[in-house]
Amino acid sequence: EIVLTQSPATLSLSPGERATLSCRASQSVSSYLAWYQQKPGQAPRLLIYDASNRATGIPARFSGSGSGTDFTLTISSLEPEDFAVYYCQQRSNWPSFGQGTKLEIK
Amino acid sequence: EVQLVESGGGLVQPGGSLRLSCAASGFTFSSYAMHWVRQAPGKGLEYVSAISSNGGSTYYANSVKGRFTISRDNSKNTLYLQMGSLRAEDMAVYYCARGVTMVRGVILPDAFDIWGQGTMVTVSS
Repeated sequence: EIVLTQSPATLSLSPGERATLSCRASQSVSSYLAWYQQKPGQAPRLLIYDASNRATGIPARFSGSGSGTDFTLTISSLEPEDFAVYYCQQRSNWPSFGQGTKLEIK
Repeated sequence: EVQLVESGGGLVQPGGSLRLSCAASGFTFSSYAMHWVRQAPGKGLEYVSAISSNGGSTYYANSVKGRFTISRDNSKNTLYLQMGSLRAEDMAVYYCARGVTMVRGVILPDAFDIWGQGTMVTVSS
């Protein structure tokens, strides 16, 4: 099983700031990495797939990068609605998820 | 509107059974593999099971293998998860999800672009 480790566990920032979230895989997943946003009481929402492709309807302030074992989700300028939990997920093998990063308002 | 709606969750005793359903609308259900993902209270996401577009191939996580059965009825645009020998650690919100990749007849490890709202399964005596 491929283990995904996300850092930091919690990120405290203010609206308008830039957010950088990391995901590291225990072995190479090529570019087969996705990012999701989840708000309390809601289902996850796909943001990025295959490392850098924005899903339909996702604002341009969300971007993904990386390949192999190290990946980054960047939110260029935080909006109030961006504060949520973010998960990475690999599909190089049967899917697994990271443990999540909570993005909270500072 | 593309939509997935789960139902069938509830309270069940340890060792009991439950069947979840996921009704799809707004897309060609028979063209997509479908998946179940669960989330224990306050915890992260766990991949549970998958089924190919025609139902011919299935996958189960080790944690549920031999106890859960995934199936689908393409004539009813509905996905199912039959859960048996339920344990406390199966307690979670269960989500059905559509794979990003439209592929017929096989299951590919995939990302998930459409999710249902989830249905809660509580395992307790």
